[in-house]
Amino acid sequence: GNSVTQMEGPVTLSEEAFLTINCTYTATGYPSLFWYVQYPGEGLQLLLKATKADDKGSNKGFEATYRKETTSFHLEKGSVQVSDSAVYFCALSGGGAQKLVFGQGTRLTINP
Amino acid sequence: DAGVTQSPTHLIKTRGQQVTLRCSPKSGHDTVSWYQQALGQGPQFIFQYYEEEERQRGNFPDRFSGHQFPNYSSELNVNALLLGDSALYLCASSFLGQGQSEQYFGPGTRLTVT
Repeated sequence: GNSVTQMEGPVTLSEEAFLTINCTYTATGYPSLFWYVQYPGEGLQLLLKATKADDKGSNKGFEATYRKETTSFHLEKGSVQVSDSAVYFCALSGGGAQKLVFGQGTRLTINP
Repeated sequence: DAGVTQSPTHLIKTRGQQVTLRCSPKSGHDTVSWYQQALGQGPQFIFQYYEEEERQRGNFPDRFSGHQFPNYSSELNVNALLLGDSALYLCASSFLGQGQSEQYFGPGTRLTVT
């Protein structure tokens, strides 16, 4: 079945550091890929998405590129802020099904 | 434009009891999905409702059941609660009418089973 694997956290960085959170997936067909963010005490917010190979999703300075050859969708940001502290989830949907399959999440803490 | 709303926000139940959680989808959406998020884990898909019928189901026992109403709102029912059912229950809505669309999540209901 479909699955998503994220780099284990927690990740702690200083403000203005470069961020990478790794995500790889296993899926049949051509899934759509997503990054969701969850702030403390809140539900999930869609951060960015990509629906086909080589697409780049971007939002709020975050970027991720759909790499079919490496089955990856790594999240990057050039300069993180304290307000980026949250839990980040990589997810996919595909095979004609709308259900989302999530990774285990990566907790990110940014120190001033 | 109201987003996805869920009620109640928090709930405490005793093992063996039954619980009903409610969800109202984002305006214009016709599909509701439910997810269970255990502490420190990613959300797990429970089931999805479209046109008042269960369209897909994840690997959850029959104790978990649902319903969708004509106004697209939905309920999640869990019978014979176990301690392991303690989790954040998330509702997500989307529009299936034109193929796959983004899922928008509500703030969740925190269920604690004692």
